[in-house]
Amino acid sequence: AQSVTQLGSHVSVSEGALVLLRCNYSSSVPPYLFWYVQYPNQGLQLLLKYTSAATLVKGINGFEAEFKKSETSFHLTKPSAHMSDAAEYFCAVWGYGQNFVFGPGTRLSVLP
Amino acid sequence: GAVVSQHPSWVICKSGTSVKIECRSLDFQATTMFWYRQFPKQSLMLMATSNEGSKATYEQGVEKDKFLINHASLTLSTLTVTSAHPEDSSFYICSASGQFNEQFFGPGTRLTVL
Repeated sequence: AQSVTQLGSHVSVSEGALVLLRCNYSSSVPPYLFWYVQYPNQGLQLLLKYTSAATLVKGINGFEAEFKKSETSFHLTKPSAHMSDAAEYFCAVWGYGQNFVFGPGTRLSVLP
Repeated sequence: GAVVSQHPSWVICKSGTSVKIECRSLDFQATTMFWYRQFPKQSLMLMATSNEGSKATYEQGVEKDKFLINHASLTLSTLTVTSAHPEDSSFYICSASGQFNEQFFGPGTRLTVL
């Protein structure tokens, strides 16, 4: 069985500040991990994914995430927040033979 | 990358009517398609998994007679919400899985039942 937790349903940062969105997972098989962004009334857009290659993964829009097996974490970061980053972010885990499982989501607000 | 489309993107219907949502993989063959439901300010919940040419597998608590899924070809799956009621109003998202099992998501369909 797999599960995903995202600490903080709502995170607020100032424009230009560091963005850190937390994701922890549990998986009975080697996991693939994903971060998606969702803007209001839109579908999911893949930001980045970990597929057992490099543990530091770089994605679109300046985001990156680091897979830490010892901490079962896959936190998403961006050095400098932009107003356009305000959205809902979902972490997800998938393992071979398992369902795709989403975390509850974190709403990111960027303050001017 | 792989592209998945959904049609329609928005639909409003009267209570008691049925609504069909299409999910297409545009540039790859999808052996498996998934249907998710998302209520406002909530995460995506898997409703069912469909494999081409076979019956869909529904998650616990999802009524298979209400949410009819057909996966007739490797590029098309349909979700029909039968006798829709206001509580069925939601955002429905499909995804398609290719040969490496990675899922590609459609843009979603907003269903509003009056």
